[in-house]
Amino acid sequence: AAGVIQSPRHLIKEKRETATLKCYPIPRHDTVYWYQQGPGQDPQFLISFYEKMQSDKGSIPDRFSAQQFSDYHSELNMSSLELGDSALYFCASSPTGTAGLAGVSEQFFGPGTRLTVL
Amino acid sequence: AQKITQTQPGMFVQEKEAVTLDCTYDTSDQSYGLFWYKQPSSGEMIFLIYQGSYDEQNATEGRYSLNFQKARKSANLVISASQLGDSAMYFCAMTVPNNNAGNMLTFGGGTRLMVKP
Repeated sequence: AAGVIQSPRHLIKEKRETATLKCYPIPRHDTVYWYQQGPGQDPQFLISFYEKMQSDKGSIPDRFSAQQFSDYHSELNMSSLELGDSALYFCASSPTGTAGLAGVSEQFFGPGTRLTVL
Repeated sequence: AQKITQTQPGMFVQEKEAVTLDCTYDTSDQSYGLFWYKQPSSGEMIFLIYQGSYDEQNATEGRYSLNFQKARKSANLVISASQLGDSAMYFCAMTVPNNNAGNMLTFGGGTRLMVKP
């Protein structure tokens, strides 16, 4: 079965540089989420998109921006990188229309992009 | 706001034995979903099992089952017949429905499970 695809898998950047992370959701999944997981931490929600519109926003720095394109893939753009941005960045996708009584659909994660800022 | 608490930072279990990983949650919403994910040392986040707040039966997926006790607000993961490959970090997470179709996950701090041969 197709899974969530993220690229690149590893990225090394210098401070103050920019980075772009890409996410390709599972086919027919129209909601995309971005999470950041620092070393030894649990994942923290950054931002989500539904049908190409931003649907929720978490603790995403102003230096970061994201969008979802017409083919449902999403990109996370990170500028003025700081040492503290070094983390594992996950993209997850979920389908609408499959939610049960609780109104919640399952979320499937990609393999993550490991960003190291030097 | 939702909160997930995993009180066991680390646990050992003997191979082939069953193990229970604890998870308690706090929310004022009546509709919510509870998830368990496995994160091996390689880093990927693997979906294991899901329980909706209105599901009357405990969720089961192969060797994984979720012991859902709504009144106690607990959603413990039970792994039967542990295998060496089960050694990993396990995260409990929850979400509530969002009218804008965004169901962000809130994670607990995780439990590191180590299976002994």
